[in-house]
Amino acid sequence: DSGVTQTPKHLITATGQRVTLRCSPRSGDLSVYWYQQSLDQGLQFLIQYYNGEERAKGNILERFSAQQFPDLHSELNLSSLELGDSALYFCASSATPQGAAGNTIYFGEGSWLTVV
Amino acid sequence: AQKITQTQPGMFVQEKEAVTLDCTYDTSDPSYGLFWYKQPSSGEMIFLIYQGSYDQQNATEGRYSLNFQKARKSANLVISASQLGDSAMYFCAMREGRRANNLFFGTGTRLTVIP
Repeated sequence: DSGVTQTPKHLITATGQRVTLRCSPRSGDLSVYWYQQSLDQGLQFLIQYYNGEERAKGNILERFSAQQFPDLHSELNLSSLELGDSALYFCASSATPQGAAGNTIYFGEGSWLTVV
Repeated sequence: AQKITQTQPGMFVQEKEAVTLDCTYDTSDPSYGLFWYKQPSSGEMIFLIYQGSYDQQNATEGRYSLNFQKARKSANLVISASQLGDSAMYFCAMREGRRANNLFFGTGTRLTVIP
């Protein structure tokens, strides 16, 4: 158990809909990351938050948005869903925002999103 | 160019034998970190081992060791005494630079342990 909690574990929704994925980081971790794993794109970094503020942005679509709340949990909002958005969405956390030695990034179990 | 290359889509190993999973990386930044993760069929991503670019010794974590060859830009994962539960996808990843923290992942290697 990595200590990173994601809900829901599975989600099936229709095209055009909006969903919210939730993540609670490991206790004490201030940095949260979102990754998308799909069959055609592999594992891709979407976005990073540190202590409530956006820290880095990757290949995140404009239809997607995220935020980190004062209690450090994070939500990833996916809107106007398309079939191609079907993927496994991971949340990860680490203690610090920067690349320090030993600053391991721990992943949650992921949220499986299926768009039909 | 790909930042992380895993050239073995699939590997087989006999139970109790050792296996090496290959990973090469590409970066011009002197500061970087290399990670290996295991993804079983259930989908979770499990952290295995970390190697920093300035680490003098190869990282080890139980049955996992990282064969770090900086000049060749390779970071191969060695699993000793393979177990049936080691059957999974294995991903090599890199964090590049001192200020970045996002990871670049390879395409993964599917390891199958044969009884």
